[in-house]
Amino acid sequence: RKEVEQDPGPFNVPEGATVAFNCTYSNSASQSFFWYRQDCRKEPKLLMSVYSSGNEDGRFTAQLNRASQYISLLIRDSKLSDSATYLCVVILNTGGFKTIFGAGTRLFVKA
Amino acid sequence: EPEVTQTPSHQVTQMGQEVILRCVPISNHLYFYWYRQILGQKVEFLVSFYNNEISEKSEIFDDQFSVERPDGSNFTLKIRSTKLEDSAMYFCASSERSTRNSPLHFGNGTRLTVT
Repeated sequence: RKEVEQDPGPFNVPEGATVAFNCTYSNSASQSFFWYRQDCRKEPKLLMSVYSSGNEDGRFTAQLNRASQYISLLIRDSKLSDSATYLCVVILNTGGFKTIFGAGTRLFVKA
Repeated sequence: EPEVTQTPSHQVTQMGQEVILRCVPISNHLYFYWYRQILGQKVEFLVSFYNNEISEKSEIFDDQFSVERPDGSNFTLKIRSTKLEDSAMYFCASSERSTRNSPLHFGNGTRLTVT
């Protein structure tokens, strides 16, 4: 089983739609969780951290379910500019801290 | 907003040659990293560096790879004898504290093409 798994998509949605991405992780030693976005041929950029109680940043809501070992990202009122690949990132405590990236979920928002 | 900067943006080299990729992390950050991303694949961790020494490295980071912080600002990745499969985008990143609580700030990347 992969350490971090994401549905690769692509998700094709119209502007204004709500879209949700899930991510599962296999290691219970996972301690911190983030969503990054990556535009084509660009560097990953932090979108938001994911907290145990769930957190919201504008149109974006992230949730964590430690019992089921999954993380979700909800995007409301999708914009054309939301088109990107969304990367789930998990930090493992292995003595040091190891960062594991998911392969990403591609999103296309259409006019 | 402070940025991580990387040079060059694109490096083309012949198999067997040495390359040095350069990075200037954000000035008040203490942790530095190299990642790579082969075209169409996921971002992979190579190495982390703290307090002038390697703190973690992956299986990818073999004897052909080395990192250095030669002065107070630059952080370099050297590949001693490049192979075709080293062709990838190499991202430098830095963080204020360890990655558990402090997100990574990535540079724009260096696209390495080995021919």
